[in-house]
Amino acid sequence: DAGVIQSPRHEVTEMGQEVTLRCKPISGHDYLFWYRQTMMRGLELLIYFNNNVPIDDSGMPEDRFSAKMPNASFSTLKIQPSEPRDSAVYFCASMYGTSYNEQFFGPGTRLTVL
Amino acid sequence: DAKTTQPTSMDCAEGRAANLPCNHSTISGNEYVYWYRQIHSQGPQYIIHGLKNNETNEMASLIITEDRKSSTLILPHATLRDTAVYYCIVRVTTTGNQFYFGTGTSLTVIP
Repeated sequence: DAGVIQSPRHEVTEMGQEVTLRCKPISGHDYLFWYRQTMMRGLELLIYFNNNVPIDDSGMPEDRFSAKMPNASFSTLKIQPSEPRDSAVYFCASMYGTSYNEQFFGPGTRLTVL
Repeated sequence: DAKTTQPTSMDCAEGRAANLPCNHSTISGNEYVYWYRQIHSQGPQYIIHGLKNNETNEMASLIITEDRKSSTLILPHATLRDTAVYYCIVRVTTTGNQFYFGTGTSLTVIP
């Protein structure tokens, strides 16, 4: 398996633009997580899905952020409109829920909002 | 939620054992202790986890005190590639499978 795949790896955009981050989890995993990492706040859980259903989105900072998982092999995190304070590395992780609960992380997307 | 406390940073000489402590004094009986690490610019990587007993795998050993209020991750022979941020996490079993990462310990292995 190729592991968790994220795209793009780097994104530079201007304030006010819409940004869409993509994630393909490991096949067979039934949990998917979105995290954000900044120097100031460390690694924060934004939202997670179980069997494509959002379970906990309490970490989503505000209404500008939305996440979807239309099927078991694809998820998106959208920011509209983007702001400079959204600049961070966004990680996607997946997990098989009845295993040892080991999360497998993707390489991350480095987002810069100018 | 059970909270963890870790030192901000530590150094270790290459080839020596690295002992990374973690306090989790409010841990409840059904919560596991997990350790992950994050090498610069990469996503976090699972290392090991345990409930009550000490655990060992090919990467590390986990020592949990009898009262479960603290634990220590041991890298038996640290190498330069072990330089990373190490996160001690207590799994919140009552509210799903999410993990809450703190700020971790930045371990620097010195040649």
